[in-house]
Amino acid sequence: GAGVSQSPSNKVTEKGKDVELRCDPISGHTALYWYRQSLGQGLEFLIYFQGNSAPDKSGLPSDRFSAERTGGSVSTLTIQRTQQEDSAVYLCASSPHGLASLGTQYFGPGTRLLVL
Amino acid sequence: KQEVTQIPAALSVPEGENLVLNCSFTDSAIYNLQWFRQDPGKGLTSLLLIQSSQREQTSGRLNASLDKSSGRSTLYIAASQPGDSATYLCAVKAAGGGADGLTFGKGTHLIIQP
Repeated sequence: GAGVSQSPSNKVTEKGKDVELRCDPISGHTALYWYRQSLGQGLEFLIYFQGNSAPDKSGLPSDRFSAERTGGSVSTLTIQRTQQEDSAVYLCASSPHGLASLGTQYFGPGTRLLVL
Repeated sequence: KQEVTQIPAALSVPEGENLVLNCSFTDSAIYNLQWFRQDPGKGLTSLLLIQSSQREQTSGRLNASLDKSSGRSTLYIAASQPGDSATYLCAVKAAGGGADGLTFGKGTHLIIQP
């Protein structure tokens, strides 16, 4: 069966440009998560969607980061005016369970973002 | 704020050895704890999920234990193989019905020498 997919797999951009990262969760999964993994750092939780809504956006690193989810499926993470410190692997995960999740999160392969 | 620590940061052992990876967390109010493996350039693969009410989970050569009150978990790998080489990540899900994601440790980079 299809797992979580993310696109692009790699993205190189110039400082100051906007980028959009896409996540396709496993069909039927109601919960969707975005994480960031910077070089030498652990995975950092960014934002969570239950359906189309994101109850808590406080994990986003700055107001240059935004995310949306439409139709309870695909999600996009947008980074405006990218900075070099935004370079990282951005991972998406989905889960069949919602709030108070008791279930396994299934991860996509990630998007490797490099800001020059 | 929940913090997850994994020890050791790196480990290299000969093939066939049994080994233990350690994970500790500062806030015992968790829903579950999950062990993942991450291969270079790849996403995360879930290995074992232990609910807060459980003490251990087993899958093949892997056994994970959870002592919630002391904030500790161990991942035991029996009869290690070169294919087990990867980074192993421990993550906890906070209790309380909040919208938080998982809190991860920085991982243990494991190399199994053939």
